[in-house]
Amino acid sequence: QKEVEQDPGPLSVPEGAIVSLNCTYSNSAFQYFMWYRQYSRKGPELLMYTYSSGNKEDGRFTAQVDKSSKYISLFIRDSQPSDSATYLCAMNIQGGADGLTFGKGTHLIIQP
Amino acid sequence: NAGVTQTPKFQVLKTGQSMTLQCAQDMNHNSMYWYRQDPGMGLRLIYYSASEGTTDKGEVPNGYNVSRLNKREFSLRLESAAPSQTSVYFCASSEQGAYNSPLHFGNGTRLTVT
Repeated sequence: QKEVEQDPGPLSVPEGAIVSLNCTYSNSAFQYFMWYRQYSRKGPELLMYTYSSGNKEDGRFTAQVDKSSKYISLFIRDSQPSDSATYLCAMNIQGGADGLTFGKGTHLIIQP
Repeated sequence: NAGVTQTPKFQVLKTGQSMTLQCAQDMNHNSMYWYRQDPGMGLRLIYYSASEGTTDKGEVPNGYNVSRLNKREFSLRLESAAPSQTSVYFCASSEQGAYNSPLHFGNGTRLTVT
């Protein structure tokens, strides 16, 4: 079963706040985890990519994977109005050539 | 660098009409994908092509056909459009299979079937 759960929001926070976005999944075979950002009327763009458990940091963004809990998170520090977008989590299994399994996306609004 | 280019950007069809959505990538990627995105449903895989010369069904292939014309181009055809196919269609490519290389998306084709 390839099921990924993600709260659709909207999540509205003031500028400068720390944002936490999360996904849960049921398939323990998932090993590759990604976060995509999608602006209105645009295609998704890759934001973060991690393999297996652990943390990865890139500027204001931190991705966390907890495989034991089947839970992944994306943290955004010092949030900006330009971060307002829909954030999609995605994941795949080792050797899975048939694309990614996506969450439905969380709509994030950063209030100036 | 154009990345993934989709044409057309918008299209309105009547029920029963046919059309082909075009996709081209200039990144020399091996794998290409077609997704549809619907409110409340997220992105769902229609068809994919792991490499030139191969195509496989994804999660929601009914009503669609695909052609991997060459390494750069991957088209999606609706033979007899239905209102249920109203959606935003995204083409994507990856260097290898999606499991170990990220997907690069085009900006979508917005299709309305009346």
